[in-house]
Amino acid sequence: AQSVTQLDSHVSVSEGTPVLLRCNYSSSYSPSLFWYVQHPNKGLQLLLKYTSAATLVKGINGFEAEFKKSETSFHLTKPSAHMSDAAEYFCVVSEIAGGTSYGKLTFGQGTILTVHP
Amino acid sequence: DTAVSQTPKYLVTQMGNDKSIKCEQNLGHDTMYWYKQDSKKFLKIMFSYNNKELIINETVPNRFSPKSPDKAHLNLHINSLELGDSAVYFCASSQSGGGIQYFGAGTRLSVL
Repeated sequence: AQSVTQLDSHVSVSEGTPVLLRCNYSSSYSPSLFWYVQHPNKGLQLLLKYTSAATLVKGINGFEAEFKKSETSFHLTKPSAHMSDAAEYFCVVSEIAGGTSYGKLTFGQGTILTVHP
Repeated sequence: DTAVSQTPKYLVTQMGNDKSIKCEQNLGHDTMYWYKQDSKKFLKIMFSYNNKELIINETVPNRFSPKSPDKAHLNLHINSLELGDSAVYFCASSQSGGGIQYFGAGTRLSVL
C-alpha cells in the first residue's frame, strides 16, 4: 500500500524568501512521485514529476524537489517566493508494480501556501 | 484547446435527484479517472477506465456509475443524490504505464 504525508497543512512566507513544503511517502514498490498545485477554484496543475531518474527534479515556475529514498521524502522547494505562488500544493505518489501502472494516485492532505508582500 | 474538459462546471441540485457529469479528453490518452475532492480538500480516486474497461473502483457507493463510451470520454452518473455527495469532482486522463495525469478544471456539485 502507498501513502503520503504532507507535514504542514499551512506554510506562510514573505515574498522573495525561500519556500519549503515537506512530504514523506510510503510505498511497497518503486514509486513515482509528483507535486501538483491547485490555485483557488481551479483545477490541478502538474509542477514536477520524479520517476527514478535524477533525484533532483526541476519543475515549472522555479520549483524543484529532491527525492531522498533513505528519508522517504520528496520535499518541494523554491528559492524565492512570488505572490502568484499562493495556492494549495499536493504531494502525490503513484505505485508502479511489476513494470506496469494504471496510475492509481494517492494524494497527500495538501499544504496551503500563503505569500505575504 | 482544453486538454481535459468537464461539464458542467457547477451543478446545484436537490437531494434524491439523478445527475451526470461529462468528461472529454483530446490528448489521445487511453486511461481516464474520476476523483472526489471533499470539503477538506482531500482528493481520492473513485474510478479509472483503461480503453473503456473499468480497472479501478474504490469502494464507491453503487449510486455512482461511470460510463465510458470511448476512450476519450468518461462520464459519471449519480443516482439518488445525497448531501454527502457535495464535493468537487475532477476528471483526469493519462497514458497507461504510469503516464502523467492531466486534470480537468473540476465540477463543483452542491446537493441541497
